[in-house]
Amino acid sequence: RKEVEQDPGPFNVPEGATVAFNCTYSNSASQSFFWYRQDCRKEPKLLMSVYSSGNEDGRFTAQLNRASQYISLLIRDSKLSDSATYLCAGLTTYKYIFGTGTRLKVLA
Amino acid sequence: NAGVTQTPKFRVLKTGQSMTLLCAQDMNHEYMYWYRQDPGMGLRLIHYSVGEGTTAKGEVPDGYNVSRLKKQNFLLGLESAAPSQTSVYFCASSSGTGLAKNIQYFGAGTRLSVL
Repeated sequence: RKEVEQDPGPFNVPEGATVAFNCTYSNSASQSFFWYRQDCRKEPKLLMSVYSSGNEDGRFTAQLNRASQYISLLIRDSKLSDSATYLCAGLTTYKYIFGTGTRLKVLA
Repeated sequence: NAGVTQTPKFRVLKTGQSMTLLCAQDMNHEYMYWYRQDPGMGLRLIHYSVGEGTTAKGEVPDGYNVSRLKKQNFLLGLESAAPSQTSVYFCASSSGTGLAKNIQYFGAGTRLSVL
């Protein structure tokens, strides 16, 4: 079993829809979590850090559930420009472990 | 505002050839990382470094070596390239201190094909 798992998708949603991704992790020693966005043939870029209390940045909300060992990303009012692959990552000491990514395609 | 710079951007090798990928960061970051990304596999950690002169193995270190002789540079070497090493390689760095200590910044990637 991979240490960090994501549904690869693709998630095809209409513009304006709300979409949610989950990511499960198996290492309870993981200290910090992140969501990265990766466009086709580009490098990953940080979207959000994920805090236990939850955090929101505009249309994006991230949550961490330590008891159930998952993190989530909610995107409201999806835009065409949100189409990308979303990677979750967990940090344990110095090492980051990434999920395989979830592909999102927002349709006009 | 360079950030993390990887060279080269593309390379084609023949089986058995050697090469070195260079990663340079200008953010004075302590930690540096090399990943490979293959379809359906996500980012997998090859080696990492927590400071000048130190290196450690990640998930998939076999067939690769690294060096961190200077804080700003992290080199990834392939001594005898194999077709299984065809991949996209990303370098990343993070500061290790302060509020943004755990945020990783990535280079643009190196696309390597081994024939």
